[in-house]
Amino acid sequence: AQRVTQPEKLLSVFKGAPVELKCNYSYSGSPELFWYVQYSRQRLQLLLRHISRESIKGFTADLNKGETSFHLKKPFAQEEDSAMYYCAPDDQFYFGTGTSLTVIP
Amino acid sequence: DAGVTQSPTHLIKTRGQHVTLRCSPISGHKSVSWYQQVLGQGPQFIFQYYEKEERGRGNFPDRFSARQFPNYSSELNVNALLLGDSALYLCASTEGAEAFFGQGTRLTVV
Repeated sequence: AQRVTQPEKLLSVFKGAPVELKCNYSYSGSPELFWYVQYSRQRLQLLLRHISRESIKGFTADLNKGETSFHLKKPFAQEEDSAMYYCAPDDQFYFGTGTSLTVIP
Repeated sequence: DAGVTQSPTHLIKTRGQHVTLRCSPISGHKSVSWYQQVLGQGPQFIFQYYEKEERGRGNFPDRFSARQFPNYSSELNVNALLLGDSALYLCASTEGAEAFFGQGTRLTVV
């Protein structure tokens, strides 16, 4: 099965500081990975997928096959970025355990 | 389009009872997945259906079952409820690679 791991359960950064949420995958091939976000009292929604190579809300994620990672990054965190972030593999069956990001004003 | 809709939004059941949760996918989406989300954890995959056929099954006991109807809506059934089944149950419909989630059904087993 396609699996991903998110080593950080909680992450706090100050507003304006860079933020990186880690995700590692453990399956071979050419993975297509996703980041989903869940803001307070809102439904889980897609943030970005690596294959589109987009920047959404200032976030980017690069697939590093050597390190089998797909870390989510933003150079300057904003308070509205506070949310739960989930990494998901191609089939989107087994989501990561999630990282709760808190941006401190 | 209202997006993925789930009913009911909240439900309280007693141990040993049976529950049916319903999901209507986004119009045109043929794939529906079910997840269980316990407080403080990520979504745990239960089932995926595509064109009324089961395409994937997570590590859940046989008390959990699902089906998909010709209009692509879906039901998740749970028999012999346990206290540990208390969770938010999420439904997602998929178009291409993106999963669109509903608001979930909050099930409380007492």
